[in-house]
Amino acid sequence: SQTIHQWPATLVQPVGSPLSLECTVEGTSNPNLYWYRQAAGRGLQLLFYSVGIGQISSEVPQNLSASRPQDRQFILSSKKLLLSDSGFYLCAWIRTKANYGYTFGSGTRLTVV
Amino acid sequence: AQSVTQPDIHITVSEGASLELRCNYSYGATPYLFWYVQSPGQGLQLLLKYFSGDTLVQGIKGFEAEFKRSQSSFNLRKPSVHWSDAAEYFCAVGRNTGTASKLTFGTGTRLQVTL
Repeated sequence: SQTIHQWPATLVQPVGSPLSLECTVEGTSNPNLYWYRQAAGRGLQLLFYSVGIGQISSEVPQNLSASRPQDRQFILSSKKLLLSDSGFYLCAWIRTKANYGYTFGSGTRLTVV
Repeated sequence: AQSVTQPDIHITVSEGASLELRCNYSYGATPYLFWYVQSPGQGLQLLLKYFSGDTLVQGIKGFEAEFKRSQSSFNLRKPSVHWSDAAEYFCAVGRNTGTASKLTFGTGTRLQVTL
């Protein structure tokens, strides 16, 4: 069966510090991978998606970047965090673009102080 | 661009009462529609999805949703709510860009269940 892992679960970082959140999927190959951010009262915002190794599409301009160094690994990064980067970050995957049933990870709560 | 509106930010129902959560979407083609549930501090779990065919869709945990094209709605229902249903519920519409599918989510409805 397929599983998706996100870590860390919670993170408190000072303004200006770097960020690295990791997401891995097990039990499948060539998944489409997604990073969403959930801010209070604003629903979920798609940040990045990837259809393959090294292929990253950005949905909104921001202080964040994403990378996909391996087929089942998706990393969200920042060189210098801003207060506005605080939120709940969710990774998700689907097997193919025709299957819209996203499976989400358990999320990372990021607080920038 | 597609959009999803969940007009109710917060709903409170008594345990055993019926529930309906509203969702309206805007999309230029045949929509792919979803309902997800999120418990506090957790990821999202898929409740049900609509791609085509029967407009009444059955999901997990006793939930169902009805697609009404004329009203651009996809409301979620449950005949009898349990205390464990307290959570946040998100409606979403999907689109296929040709290389990847993308989901656009509503802002969510928080459900409180009173005993």
